[in-house]
Amino acid sequence: DIQMTQSPSSLSASVGDRVTITCRASQSINMFLSWFQQRPGKAPNLLIFSASTLQNGVPSRFSGSGSETDFTLTISSLQPEDFATYYCQQTYTTPYSFGQGTRLGLK
Amino acid sequence: QVQLQESGPGLVKPSETLSLTCTVSGGSIRRYYWSWIRQPPGKGLEWIGYISDTGSTNYHPSLKSRVTMSLDTSKNQFSLKVNSVTASDTAVYFCARMTYAIPGRFDYWGQGTLVTVSS
Repeated sequence: DIQMTQSPSSLSASVGDRVTITCRASQSINMFLSWFQQRPGKAPNLLIFSASTLQNGVPSRFSGSGSETDFTLTISSLQPEDFATYYCQQTYTTPYSFGQGTRLGLK
Repeated sequence: QVQLQESGPGLVKPSETLSLTCTVSGGSIRRYYWSWIRQPPGKGLEWIGYISDTGSTNYHPSLKSRVTMSLDTSKNQFSLKVNSVTASDTAVYFCARMTYAIPGRFDYWGQGTLVTVSS
């Protein structure tokens, strides 16, 4: 199975900050990497797929990069609604797997 | 607008079978994979498996012996059964759509339903 490891596990930031979350796969997954945002009590919401493609309707302050084993999610200027938990996920091979999550909180 | 809605009992006794259904509205069940994902309280996401629109299945190896998924295209529904449940199966269960296009992406999700395993 492919293990997905995110860092950091938690992060504190302020509105307007630039934030980067990293995700590492235990083996190459090409660009088969998605990023999700999850607010408390809600379903995950797809932000980015294919490592760097923005899902329709997602604000352009979100961006993704990377390939093979190392990936990043960047939020260029944090907005109040961005404080949530973020997950990466690989769909390169089954069993599909998620990172453990990064909780982004208000400083 | 595509919408997914989970339904089923919120409480299941240990050793019994958990059964959930996901109803898809606003779109066809054709040409997609249909997945179940769960999230224990306060923890991360775990992919359980998928069923394709043709009925082929792929389950997480750790759950394969206890999981069955099925599809009812006439009702635009798909279902999950997990047998011999224990407290560790307590979780919010989400259904989600995965695109056929490579790489697949989970673009629509249900709101989730909490299933508690307890006597």
